[in-house]
Amino acid sequence: EPEVTQTPSHQVTQMGQEVILRCVPISNHLYFYWYRQILGQKVEFLVSFYNNEISEKSEIFDDQFSVERPDGSNFTLKIRSTKLEDSAMYFCASSRDRVPAFFGQGTRLTVV
Amino acid sequence: RKEVEQDPGPFNVPEGATVAFNCTYSNSASQSFFWYRQDCRKEPKLLMSVYSSGNEDGRFTAQLNRASQYISLLIRDSKLSDSATYLCVVTQSGSQGNLIFGKGTKLSVKP
Repeated sequence: EPEVTQTPSHQVTQMGQEVILRCVPISNHLYFYWYRQILGQKVEFLVSFYNNEISEKSEIFDDQFSVERPDGSNFTLKIRSTKLEDSAMYFCASSRDRVPAFFGQGTRLTVV
Repeated sequence: RKEVEQDPGPFNVPEGATVAFNCTYSNSASQSFFWYRQDCRKEPKLLMSVYSSGNEDGRFTAQLNRASQYISLLIRDSKLSDSATYLCVVTQSGSQGNLIFGKGTKLSVKP
């Protein structure tokens, strides 16, 4: 069964450093998303991406965040200057018809 | 007011029990409805979509009441493997698939 894959599974970074989280969505999917889940909290939407541009973003997705689809398969989330409060599980998701979305296994980001 | 509210749980039930989860959503313009399950420290996995007519998938039955802005999930003959957190999820009209999650209800099925 096709799946969304994310790398790395765990990333530890120093506060203020830049991190790039990588995702390979399901190959025939057209919509791509990033979500995050702070430990013990609900899953929160960050951004959606369609047709090579951001289609929707939440207030969490401020100027320190950016997304890119550098080639036909990868989808990345960059956090420019990490803060302690960015520590969370980051999930990439993709969908063929907008909904429903299928999630990758997540990258656990720890900012120290 | 929270956008998606769920029973706080946890629900601790014996194997074979029937268990029901409830969810309410605040935005009447909500368009699509889903139940996801999430195992500890894992990704959310789609369990089923929810339709106004109600739908069933094996031991799982989902119902939607748009007038009351209420969604339910019924699990019959629960198995140990059903232990997980069940997430109620909605989308808004006009959104690009932005999923709005409830905090989830934890289910623990005991032998």
